[in-house]
Amino acid sequence: SQTIHQWPATLVQPVGSPLSLECTVEGTSNPNLYWYRQAAGRGLQLLFYSVGIGQISSEVPQNLSASRPQDRQFILSSKKLLLSDSGFYLCAGTGFGSPLHFGNGTRLTVT
Amino acid sequence: GDSVTQMEGPVTLSEEAFLTINCTYTATGYPSLFWYVQYPGEGLQLLLKATKADDKGSNKGFEATYRKETTSFHLEKGSVQVSDSAVYFCALSLPATGANNLFFGTGTRLTVIP
Repeated sequence: SQTIHQWPATLVQPVGSPLSLECTVEGTSNPNLYWYRQAAGRGLQLLFYSVGIGQISSEVPQNLSASRPQDRQFILSSKKLLLSDSGFYLCAGTGFGSPLHFGNGTRLTVT
Repeated sequence: GDSVTQMEGPVTLSEEAFLTINCTYTATGYPSLFWYVQYPGEGLQLLLKATKADDKGSNKGFEATYRKETTSFHLEKGSVQVSDSAVYFCALSLPATGANNLFFGTGTRLTVIP
């Protein structure tokens, strides 16, 4: 079965510092991969999705970027964090015909 | 456009109370419908799903019936427990190609008190 690994679980970073969150997938090949953000008091917001290596689509303009250097690796990055980047970030993936599987999330606090 | 509208929370219930969380959808095609649950500090997990009209998804005592006539997929449980405290997300998936065919509601936070 499909498993999404995401780390770190929590992260506290100062404003202006860089960010790199990593997500890897087990149990399926050529998955569609997603980064979601869940801000306090709000629902899930799709940030990026990827249908293959090097293929990234952005849903909302923002201070973040994503990359997919390998089939089962999806990275969320920022060059300079803003206070508004604080939130709970979830990586998710789905293989053909299967429902979305989520990682355990990363709680990011920008101070 | 395609979307999911979910009952706003938070919802607070006593243990053994009956739960309903409303979810309605708008879709141009024939979607599959899902309920995901997010326990404190964790990612989302699939709770149940239904892929066509009149299907009933069920898991862990939760049920939801795909109602095409009312475009709804309300989540119900007859007797909630403290361990059911979580955020519940209704979601819609369209049977089209492409990665951006998943839509989530805003989530409903449920707190069950002993």
